[in-house]
Amino acid sequence: AQTVTQSQPEMSVQEAETVTLSCTYDTSESDYYLFWYKQPPSRQMILVIRQEAYKQQNATENRFSVNFQKAAKSFSLKISDSQLGDAAMYFCAFLGRGSTLGRLYFGRGTQLTVWP
Amino acid sequence: DGGITQSPKYLFRKEGQNVTLSCEQNLNHDAMYWYRQDPGQGLRLIYYSQIVNDFQKGDIAEGYSVSREKKESFPLTVTSAQKNPTAFYLCASSIVSGDQETQYFGPGTRLLVL
Repeated sequence: AQTVTQSQPEMSVQEAETVTLSCTYDTSESDYYLFWYKQPPSRQMILVIRQEAYKQQNATENRFSVNFQKAAKSFSLKISDSQLGDAAMYFCAFLGRGSTLGRLYFGRGTQLTVWP
Repeated sequence: DGGITQSPKYLFRKEGQNVTLSCEQNLNHDAMYWYRQDPGQGLRLIYYSQIVNDFQKGDIAEGYSVSREKKESFPLTVTSAQKNPTAFYLCASSIVSGDQETQYFGPGTRLLVL
């Protein structure tokens, strides 16, 4: 079974500063995707960033970047120049491309607070 | 606009009643999914469908049923057998193959038991 662990239930950051959210996962699959989704108070799940396991280069989307360590099964999200609008629940998710094709597994989330 | 719509936004269920949550997408995605979200937990998969007229149970399918008669639509029925239905329900869709298997979500339906 696939498991996704987010060990930080809550994090906070000052506006314009940088924060890193942690995620680890456990799988026996070799081919998979990893995602970070953001859920603001509206509760809409919004895709933040995606990483393919076969790519060594870490994904980047504007102020959002990941640190993907495949051997360690670690997938952290770094938010640079934090903005008030970044405040949300962030979920790490795993999508296997083998026997679990199509099934997303989620962590329990990290609630991010951004202070002005 | 392309996207995923869910209705209603809020739904109330009485004891012993079946209720149906709607999910429609115009993204031409093959696969559709239903998730349940409870406070303090991540999303848990209820059912998913990768092709019309076919669907599979997820991790918490008991007390729920689905149909997939059209590519665009994947309604979820919460039956009276689901003893704790109060939750936030999210529908998602994705392309099945290639490098585009990212799931995109609808705005969700909040189900409350009266």
